[in-house]
Amino acid sequence: GNSVTQMEGPVTLSEEAFLTINCTYTATGYPSLFWYVQYPGEGLQLLLKATKADDKGSNKGFEATYRKETTSFHLEKGSVQVSDSAVYFCALLTTDSWGKFQFGAGTQVVVTP
Amino acid sequence: EAEVAQSPRYKITEKSQAVAFWCDPISGHATLYWYRQILGQGPELLVQFQDESVVDDSQLPKDRFSAERLKGVDSTLKIQPAELGDSAMYLCASSLAVGTGELFFGEGSRLTVL
Repeated sequence: GNSVTQMEGPVTLSEEAFLTINCTYTATGYPSLFWYVQYPGEGLQLLLKATKADDKGSNKGFEATYRKETTSFHLEKGSVQVSDSAVYFCALLTTDSWGKFQFGAGTQVVVTP
Repeated sequence: EAEVAQSPRYKITEKSQAVAFWCDPISGHATLYWYRQILGQGPELLVQFQDESVVDDSQLPKDRFSAERLKGVDSTLKIQPAELGDSAMYLCASSLAVGTGELFFGEGSRLTVL
C-alpha cells in the first residue's frame, strides 16, 4: 500500500540554522508529493508541492525535490526563523481514480531565538 | 480569502453520547474530506465526497460514524455513540476537484470524550 515516513520530532534549532526534514514514500504509480505546515492553533496549509520526478517545489524559503530513485521528498530551508516553528507534514496524492492523500505523522520544528 | 469553516472548535462529551461536526467548504469546491488526527499522528481519511456522493469511506467506522453532504455543499459528521478512543481532532478539507493537488483545511474540531 501507499505510505509516507518522515523523521520524528521535535527538531529543535536556533534561528538562522539550516533545517532538513527527511521524508520517504512508498507508492504505486507516480504520486504527487506535498509538504503541509500546521502553525500553532491553525489548520494545515499547503507549503509546497511537486508533481513529477526531479520537480522542485519551493515557497517561503523552503525547498523540496521529488527524487524518484530514492523515493524521497526532503524539506530544506537554509536559514530558519522563529516564525517557522510549526508541525510539518509530508504527503502524497495517489494516482488512483479518486486521488487519495496519504500523510506522514508530522515533524514538530521548534526554532529558538 | 475564502476559508473552510468548521464548528464547533471544541467539544467535550461523555461516552455513549452523540456528537456532530459541521463543515462548510470553500464555495465551488466539489470534493470534501473528513480526516481524523490523533495527537502526534498525521491526518487519516475517514470519508471523501465528490459533490453529494461518497467516493471513499473505507476507513469510516460505520457502526458509529456517519457522514452526509446532502446538497453537495456543507457536510455533517456524526458519532453515535461516542467512545473514549474517539478523542481526536476532526479536520475538514476541500478541493476544487479530485487530483487538483491542493487541499484547503479548516481549523478543525477537537473532540474530548470523557
